Amino acid sequence: SAVISQKPSRDICQRGTSLTIQCQVDSQVTMMFWYRQQPGQSLTLIATANQGSEATYESGFVIDKFPISRPNLTFSTLTVSNMSPEDSSIYLCSAKRQASSYEQYFGPGTRLTVT
Amino acid sequence: GESVGLHLPTLSVQEGDNSIINCAYSNSASDYFIWYKQESGKGPQFIIDIRSNMDKRQGQRVTVLLNKTVKHLSLQIAATQPGDSAVYFCAENIMSNQAGTALIFGKGTTLSVSS
Repeated sequence: SAVISQKPSRDICQRGTSLTIQCQVDSQVTMMFWYRQQPGQSLTLIATANQGSEATYESGFVIDKFPISRPNLTFSTLTVSNMSPEDSSIYLCSAKRQASSYEQYFGPGTRLTVT
Repeated sequence: GESVGLHLPTLSVQEGDNSIINCAYSNSASDYFIWYKQESGKGPQFIIDIRSNMDKRQGQRVTVLLNKTVKHLSLQIAATQPGDSAVYFCAENIMSNQAGTALIFGKGTTLSVSS
């Protein structure tokens, strides 16, 4: 398995500001993902973080709102930009060791509240 | 809409009973399925998986059944314990819109185990 940590674990932010969430994996992984989980809901894939190139976003998510970086094989960041209360959610980092692997691991999540 | 869904949002059982959590999926091209357990304040934790060329897989106290004919997945937990109380998600591996394969999650079932 892969051990994934996220910082911060939670934050309360004001409308219009931005927050950057960090994700660190304890070993090199091929694929990293970012998910959003709204209160009481399931997980929705935001994007795949690609090392050395732009992230691949799912329908309904755009780079201007959720810029993602992935400078190496163990680290990624997700920024939630120009926040509104609708962005209040848990944001989860996830990783797979190999693209061909099925097993996918999750971090503990970052609980974001926007006031 | 979501391609994976669960029949019941909540399930309450007594300690020692067997629990069955159900999931219906709609994408016949899905080749891999996972059950995750999510405790309050934590990220999803891998429980058990099954590939589409199988119809049953057993783990420790857990069994996953896959019925491709009716696109149905179930998780059986034997001798349910209070520590099993959590939200359970099924997820299917499909080709996402943009990112190659991705895990798509169902809505989740909250399992409550009383002593």
